[in-house]
Parts: sequence; C-alpha cells; structure tokens
Amino acid sequence: IAGITQAPTSQILAAGRRMTLRCTQDMRHNAMYWYRQDLGLGLRLIHYSNTAGTTGKGEVPDGYSVSRANTDDFPLTLASAVPSQTSVYFCASSDGDSYNEQFFGPGTRLTVL
Amino acid sequence: GQNIDQPTEMTATEGAIVQINCTYQTSGFNGLFWYQQHAGEAPTFLSYNVLDGLEEKGRFSSFLSRSKGYSYLLLKELQMKDSASYLCAVKDSNYQLIWGAGTKLIIKP
Repeated sequence: IAGITQAPTSQILAAGRRMTLRCTQDMRHNAMYWYRQDLGLGLRLIHYSNTAGTTGKGEVPDGYSVSRANTDDFPLTLASAVPSQTSVYFCASSDGDSYNEQFFGPGTRLTVL
Repeated sequence: GQNIDQPTEMTATEGAIVQINCTYQTSGFNGLFWYQQHAGEAPTFLSYNVLDGLEEKGRFSSFLSRSKGYSYLLLKELQMKDSASYLCAVKDSNYQLIWGAGTKLIIKP
C-alpha cells in the first residue's frame, strides 16, 4: 500500500541520548518534511527537503538534523535529546508543486525524560 | 510575523451545519489548505483554495477571500465521525506551509 511509514510509533528516551526517527515514502515524491505538533500549537516545520541531496531549515531546526540520501528516506536525528523535544513528530511528503497537498505519516510520539 | 487564527473549539449537533473560520497574515500567499485530524491520527487533506470563491466537495466546502485574508470551511449534514480537529494552513512566499493551531469540533447527538 502506497504511503508514508514512520518508526518507531512511540519512544521514551532519557535526556542526553541520541535518537533517529525514521521516515520512508513509496510515492516517489520529491519533497519531504518533518513537523512537530504540540498541544495548543500548530504544526511547526523542523526541516524539509525539496529533492534528494538537498535539505533546508524550517521554523524550529535547533537540536535536530536531517539527511536525504535518496528519494524515499528522510531520517530525523536528535543529537542529544532534551525534555522540550517531547512532542509528536510527523513526517510528510508532496510532489513539491505549490498546489499539491502534503501526505502525512502516522507520527512518532516521543517523550524525553 | 506570520499568523494563522482559528477558533480553539466549536460544538455542533449531528445533522446540522457548521462553519469554521480562519484568518491569516503571511508573507506571501500561494494557496490555503484545510486538513482534518482525528485524535491520535495524522492530518489528512480536505481542500485547497488559491483563487477567491467557494470550492465544494461533497458535504464539505471551503471559501477564500484573499483581500480579507479569510477562509472558512463549511461542513453540512454533520455526522458523528466529523468530530475531529480541523487545521487551516497557508503556503507562504517560500512555498512552506504555515499552520494554525486547529479547531476542535465536537459533534453532539
């Protein structure tokens, strides 16, 4: 079934640990995105990639890094997790044209203690 | 700064009509999107407006006025399954989506 998968579904992490959230899409979309969603706030863009080999910073990039080695995969890494990174993380993809909607993965619920 | 405003919560009755408003102030405008998000799930696309006017899609319609920085989502013949959060998002001059905090819609029998 075409779509976006994310792993893990949920994770509890000790502060200071390194963590990589995985995201894979099989729709051959050029653009991919990482958002975080916190209660009472809108989705906030962390990093994005318009095409394989390129990445850009979003609204809240500090403490996160991404890579885009190929079209399908877009992992998000927390180098040294802090409690303020407790959130629900969504990966999304789109064809990249302005009128095309973004398709979202099921999300990863991350708790940093 | 960029800002998307929508009501935090609304309540409506099954079978009725509800209108969810969204106002925006962004650096540039390349379209407005509405998404639906059920609790604990991912957002899913509902509608897209880039020109002024009404777009109708079944029980859902979306309206845009660019001069007023205003949109609304109209849901008709409400069903219990429509209980969800509705997210308004604007694509800015950098073609990035700026998201509102969402409107939680509660449907009562």
